[in-house]
Amino acid sequence: RKEVEQDPGPFNVPEGATVAFNCTYSNSASQSFFWYRQDCRKEPKLLMSVYSSGNEDGRFTAQLNRASQYISLLIRDSKLSDSATYLCVAFDRGSTLGRLYFGRGTQLTVWP
Amino acid sequence: NAGVTQTPKFRVLKTGQSMTLLCAQDMNHEYMYWYRQDPGMGLRLIHYSVGEGTTAKGEVPDGYNVSRLKKQNFLLGLESAAPSQTSVYFCATRVGAGGQDNEQFFGPGTRLTVL
Repeated sequence: RKEVEQDPGPFNVPEGATVAFNCTYSNSASQSFFWYRQDCRKEPKLLMSVYSSGNEDGRFTAQLNRASQYISLLIRDSKLSDSATYLCVAFDRGSTLGRLYFGRGTQLTVWP
Repeated sequence: NAGVTQTPKFRVLKTGQSMTLLCAQDMNHEYMYWYRQDPGMGLRLIHYSVGEGTTAKGEVPDGYNVSRLKKQNFLLGLESAAPSQTSVYFCATRVGAGGQDNEQFFGPGTRLTVL
């Protein structure tokens, strides 16, 4: 079983829509969580960190539920430029490496 | 600052050929990683390094070797390429252990095809 599981999608939504992605992680020792964005044929880039209290960055809201080992990303008022693959990431500081575990990604297409 | 760079950007090999992928960073980061990304598989860790002169195996190390002779460079070698190694290879760096500096910075990737 993968450390981080995501719904691969694809999600196809119109401009202006609200879309939510979910992610679960299996290692309860995971201590930090992130959402990365990856555009087609490009490298992943950090979108936002996820904090226990939930955090918001403009149109993006991330939530963490440690009891359920569940992470979410909400995108409001979707833009065409939001089309990308979104990677859910868990960080395990307890391991010797301090590894990041990447989900397989959720593909989003926003259409006009 | 260039950040993380990878060379080459593209390469086509024949089965059995060898090659080395170079990752270079100018951010003075301690940790460096090599991943491969295949459709439907996500990012899989090949090898990593926690500092100059140290390397270790990740999830999928077979068929690859690495070296970190200088802090700023992390080399990934394929001694005898196989079609199963056709993939996009990403290098990434991280500041170091602990703290909140957990972000990994990725290079632009190397697209490798093995015929």
